[in-house]
Amino acid sequence: DAKTTQPPSMDCAEGRAANLPCNHSTISGNEYVYWYRQIHSQGPQYIIHGLKNNETNEMASLIITEDRKSSTLILPHATLRDTAVYYCIVRVAPNNFNKFYFGSGTKLNVKP
Amino acid sequence: IAGITQAPTSQILAAGRRMTLRCTQDMRHNAMYWYRQDLGLGLRLIHYSNTAGTTGKGEVPDGYSVSRANTDDFPLTLASAVPSQTSVYFCASSESLAGVYEQYFGPGTRLTVT
Repeated sequence: DAKTTQPPSMDCAEGRAANLPCNHSTISGNEYVYWYRQIHSQGPQYIIHGLKNNETNEMASLIITEDRKSSTLILPHATLRDTAVYYCIVRVAPNNFNKFYFGSGTKLNVKP
Repeated sequence: IAGITQAPTSQILAAGRRMTLRCTQDMRHNAMYWYRQDLGLGLRLIHYSNTAGTTGKGEVPDGYSVSRANTDDFPLTLASAVPSQTSVYFCASSESLAGVYEQYFGPGTRLTVT
């Protein structure tokens, strides 16, 4: 299974862009990169996913490097409510099963 | 729309006792999952279900069992609880196991085994 590596914590000033990196150097060609976040022990919340092209939705942007060995989640204008643990996940799909392997994530602290 | 509900919200359980954590979804999703999250760590998959009547083992299945009698419900049972099963348990669902589908998570059940 492809593993991911994320920094344990990051700080960001309110209103600035938050750029959260993730390394997934063993990713396979058909594996997607997903990002979820968990706010204060609530259930994780889906943010975005991508395969090889950059993706954007109302919450965030996902930039995947050309070799797909790393990606960056961008929150364009971080607010205090974005303080959470952010998980980068590579979907392992043996036999087409959509199992997610969560790592320890990055604790993003948005400061006023 | 409720999404996913879990019960109980929290529970203190004596070691050796049997406990069933309940999970219900109203989105008619085919796939459902149970995860545990230990303090300061990420989630680990316990069991999953592709559709009603089928289940599979995840990363940490020992000591747990599941059933999927219908689409909406996916209970998790601890036959004889041990202190190492103290954790927060999250239930999740997605449209399918295969394909590119996001998972929706419930609010969690905080279980303490003494």
